[in-house]
Amino acid sequence: QSALTQPASVSGSPGQSITISCTGTSSDVGDYTYVSWYQQHPGEAPKLLIYDVTNRPSGVSNRFSGSKSGNTASLTISGLQAEDEADYYCGSYRSDSTVVFGGGTKLTVL
Amino acid sequence: QLQLQESGPGLVKPSETLSLTCTVSGGSISSSSYYWGWIRLPPGKGLEWIGNIYYSGSTYYSPSLKSRVTISVDTSKNQFSLKLNSVTAADTAVYYCARAPDGDSYYSWFDPWGQGTLVSVSS
Repeated sequence: QSALTQPASVSGSPGQSITISCTGTSSDVGDYTYVSWYQQHPGEAPKLLIYDVTNRPSGVSNRFSGSKSGNTASLTISGLQAEDEADYYCGSYRSDSTVVFGGGTKLTVL
Repeated sequence: QLQLQESGPGLVKPSETLSLTCTVSGGSISSSSYYWGWIRLPPGKGLEWIGNIYYSGSTYYSPSLKSRVTISVDTSKNQFSLKLNSVTAADTAVYYCARAPDGDSYYSWFDPWGQGTLVSVSS
């Protein structure tokens, strides 16, 4: 079961915006609006940032937004802050009734 | 506030069975609105979904682990459990339990998560 494809790393300066991509196939990202995004700081559990492609749970900053085009979903973080430095993972429902995650992206705030 | 807590041995020998339990507090595991899942994070790698279970016992497993995995639920104790047999060093990871939604989202996202527990496979 191949994972979704994410860039290994991205970086940005405080105040800038960055986008992390998550590429799947027509059996997962491309065919369903069930893409989620998670933030994980070292030693902590993952935290849900986005679900169902664009929805933010209560309490998540509106600096985080999600979108999807074809087989690729994206997470955009605007107004980058030092505390945003973390690992980010995408996840998706798949047509065989399973769930698949991406390999993760390390965000460095310069 | 719903909380999940993983428990179990931190060290398992190769070829043996890894067993973990997730205790749910602050809510009922028998809620018809949620699934309950296991996810792991191997060192230096990305998240890997292991499987989900509904309070009724219905399960969904990762195809790559399906032959070795059993997830079960004990509603009387508000717990669900993971068993992974014939483990190797490749099963070394931080194991998380988490809640997933039922309904339109197909148990596809997880919130909240337990703090995670490191399980090492070594002789």
